[in-house]
Amino acid sequence: EAQVTQNPRYLITVTGKKLTVTCSQNMNHEYMSWYRQDPGLGLRQIYYSMNVEVTDKGDVPEGYKVSRKEKRNFPLILESPSPNQTSLYFCASSGVAESNQPQHFGDGTRLSIL
Amino acid sequence: KNQVEQSPQSLIILEGKNCTLQCNYTVSPFSNLRWYKQDTGRGPVSLTIMTFSENTKSNGRYTATLDADTKQSSLHITASQLSDSASYICVVSASYDYKLSFGAGTTVTVRA
Repeated sequence: EAQVTQNPRYLITVTGKKLTVTCSQNMNHEYMSWYRQDPGLGLRQIYYSMNVEVTDKGDVPEGYKVSRKEKRNFPLILESPSPNQTSLYFCASSGVAESNQPQHFGDGTRLSIL
Repeated sequence: KNQVEQSPQSLIILEGKNCTLQCNYTVSPFSNLRWYKQDTGRGPVSLTIMTFSENTKSNGRYTATLDADTKQSSLHITASQLSDSASYICVVSASYDYKLSFGAGTTVTVRA
């Protein structure tokens, strides 16, 4: 089954404790992206990657890091999480970025930073 | 800055009725416009994608229209069902980069 898998689905942690949210897709997609979703603000792009070893900032990259060492994986790293990073996070993937293919989203990771 | 505005913010309709959601955008140059459905607690799922040359596209009971001249799109839901209760998100892609501009969504509640 074609899917985007995020882990963990839920996480409660404390300020400053480094965490990683993993994202994996099994569709051989070139393009992967991370979003956060906050009430009233909709989805906002954090980082995206057009292919292996190619990453770029989205609209809200501060406080986040990503890497794309393999095509299927695109982890999101919070080196020193803060309470304003409490949010619902989605990973998505699609074929080549310039195509009109839909993005496939994971089921989300709900992070609470205390 | 590229913007995507959706209206209304929320609406409630009775099962079996139709409704129309609106999306206005300022993204330019335009590449494509997408409508997604997001159920509570789940990731968005694609409903339609339209390019500049398409002015209507259907997916079952969902029909999207696009007027690229006025930079407006609508999503029409026909004969609504309880399972249509969700948030509907309009997403616009510019042709010069690979970022997507997201609307804040319209929350639709279908009541029996």
